[in-house]
Amino acid sequence: EPEVTQTPSHQVTQMGQEVILRCVPISNHLYFYWYRQILGQKVEFLVSFYNNEISEKSEIFDDQFSVERPDGSNFTLKIRSTKLEDSAMYFCASSLLAGGVSGELFFGEGSRLTVL
Amino acid sequence: TQLLEQSPQFLSIQEGENLTVYCNSSSVFSSLQWYRQEPGEGPVLLVTVVTGGEVKKLKRLTFQFGDARKDSSLHITAAQPGDTGLYLCAGLFYGQNFVFGPGTRLSVLP
Repeated sequence: EPEVTQTPSHQVTQMGQEVILRCVPISNHLYFYWYRQILGQKVEFLVSFYNNEISEKSEIFDDQFSVERPDGSNFTLKIRSTKLEDSAMYFCASSLLAGGVSGELFFGEGSRLTVL
Repeated sequence: TQLLEQSPQFLSIQEGENLTVYCNSSSVFSSLQWYRQEPGEGPVLLVTVVTGGEVKKLKRLTFQFGDARKDSSLHITAAQPGDTGLYLCAGLFYGQNFVFGPGTRLSVLP
């Protein structure tokens, strides 16, 4: 069964360092997303991406964040200069369409980021 | 940003009992999804509901979408320890992306 895969599963970094989280969405999906979940808190939307550009982003997704689909299969989230409060589980998701039954989100297993 | 509320926040029951958890918003959903999340893993989709009044069944799970499409419920019959997890609803509001509720953490004791 097709699935969304994410790497790394866990990354520990020093405050101020750059981090890149990688995702391989389901191959025929058109919409891609990043969500994050701080420990014990709810899943929060960061950004959606369609047709090689950001379609929507939340207040959390500030200038320190960027996304890219460099090669038609990977979808990356870059945090330029990590802060302690960036520590969270980051989930990539993809969907075939943007809504309705075919807008179902399929999530990866997440990348846990720990900023020291 | 639209807000979703889920209740109860925590629920601990004995194996074999029935339970219902709820998801509410003050705004109309374009569609709504229920997910289950286990510790350290990503949310796993259980169901998508789109039509007001829609009822979907998935084995012992029954999902209902409110007529006004502002609320939904998940009913589990004869809960089992394997049902333990965080149940999340995620609503798609018109012109926006999916917004997740805070979840109901269910614990089914053997």
